[in-house]
Amino acid sequence: DAKTTQPPSMDCAEGRAANLPCNHSTISGNEYVYWYRQIHSQGPQYIIHGLKNNETNEMASLIITEDRKSSTLILPHATLRDTAVYYCIVRSRSYNTDKLIFGTGTRLQVFP
Amino acid sequence: DTAVSQTPKYLVTQMGNDKSIKCEQNLGHDTMYWYKQDSKKFLKIMFSYNNKELIINETVPNRFSPKSPDKAHLNLHINSLELGDSAVYFCASSHRGGVAKNIQYFGAGTRLSVL
Repeated sequence: DAKTTQPPSMDCAEGRAANLPCNHSTISGNEYVYWYRQIHSQGPQYIIHGLKNNETNEMASLIITEDRKSSTLILPHATLRDTAVYYCIVRSRSYNTDKLIFGTGTRLQVFP
Repeated sequence: DTAVSQTPKYLVTQMGNDKSIKCEQNLGHDTMYWYKQDSKKFLKIMFSYNNKELIINETVPNRFSPKSPDKAHLNLHINSLELGDSAVYFCASSHRGGVAKNIQYFGAGTRLSVL
């Protein structure tokens, strides 16, 4: 699975959009981009995933660049409850690679 | 109704003891996992079972033995506990087969402290 690079930390004002970047320059054609987050002392939580098109769900939007070498997770209206570590993970479509390989993630602090 | 539940939530024990952590999921998934998160917060896969069959074993010491009595349960037994085993252990579950289905749902974690 391709390696990802994320900034170690970011701040965001409550009510504003939080844009979390991720670089995955070695991503291959069959690899998806997944985002999970871990709120303090809780288990990781799935947010969203995509292959090459932009995706949106009730939690967030995922913007993937045309060359697929980077992506941005967007939380449109951040709340204090969104303070967490956000992990960008690249995964193959293979049946044999069900494991998630977590990096160090981005610690997002939402402030009032 | 908790989807992936682990017990106990906290476990404090002495070095050399044997302990077990239990995990149950009520999501109808066929694949379950154990992850370990160490003191530096690195989260790493340990094991994965699909329909009671071991499919991933990430060079974990033999002292760790997962057991899956059925596809809704995956327990973790640890023999001869060492100080370095202190960590938070997370259980997760998913459907297997196809990226779209393979979204993993995690339990709340078991914080193990070995004294």
